[in-house]
Amino acid sequence: DAEITQSPRHKITETGRQVTLACHQTWNHNNMFWYRQDLGHGLRLIHYSYGVQDTNKGEVSDGYSVSRSNTEDLPLTLESAASSQTSVYFCASSPRGFGEQYFGPGTRLTVL
Amino acid sequence: DAKTTQPNSMESNEEEPVHLPCNHSTISGTDYIHWYRQLPSQGPEYVIHGLTSNVNNRMASLAIAEDRKSSTLILHRATLRDAAVYYCILRDVPRLIKAAGNKLTFGGGTRVLVKP
Repeated sequence: DAEITQSPRHKITETGRQVTLACHQTWNHNNMFWYRQDLGHGLRLIHYSYGVQDTNKGEVSDGYSVSRSNTEDLPLTLESAASSQTSVYFCASSPRGFGEQYFGPGTRLTVL
Repeated sequence: DAKTTQPNSMESNEEEPVHLPCNHSTISGTDYIHWYRQLPSQGPEYVIHGLTSNVNNRMASLAIAEDRKSSTLILHRATLRDAAVYYCILRDVPRLIKAAGNKLTFGGGTRVLVKP
């Protein structure tokens, strides 16, 4: 069955380190998204991509970057991790156009 | 994106219907109404969406007011598995320039508690 996976599921890192969270989908979806969710809040969009070589900033993109070199993957990089980036990160994908988004299981990141 | 307003929480008894309201008084003519839910420790999942007419699927029903300024998600017989946070989201039909796109803007949602 097609799916969307995230790795690692849990990560502890130190302030200032570079961290990359992986997102992989096997639906061949054009669109991919990264969200963060903090305790007691809804999801906020970090970055998104509408296809290979396309990336766009969301509402909370500072300190994060993405690259899209193929259809299946959209890794999220924290260039220099900060304690404010401690959060649960969700990746999602959707087909081109108006399709529903399918979410991954999430990565819990702790920055000490 | 147009804003939605939902109650913070609602309680229901198992096997009883649940009616989740959503106000979206600034909705535009091209905004679709989407509902997602997030079970504990999981990513959100799609529930249903509609534009003007009421919609039904295997998970729920969506009732849309005639003026489209409010809508209600209906879970016909709540189960313990339906305990989740339910998000009401407005999504504009993709514009021609970014026809591929479909961003979602999540609000606070309604936390549904189901009592056995």
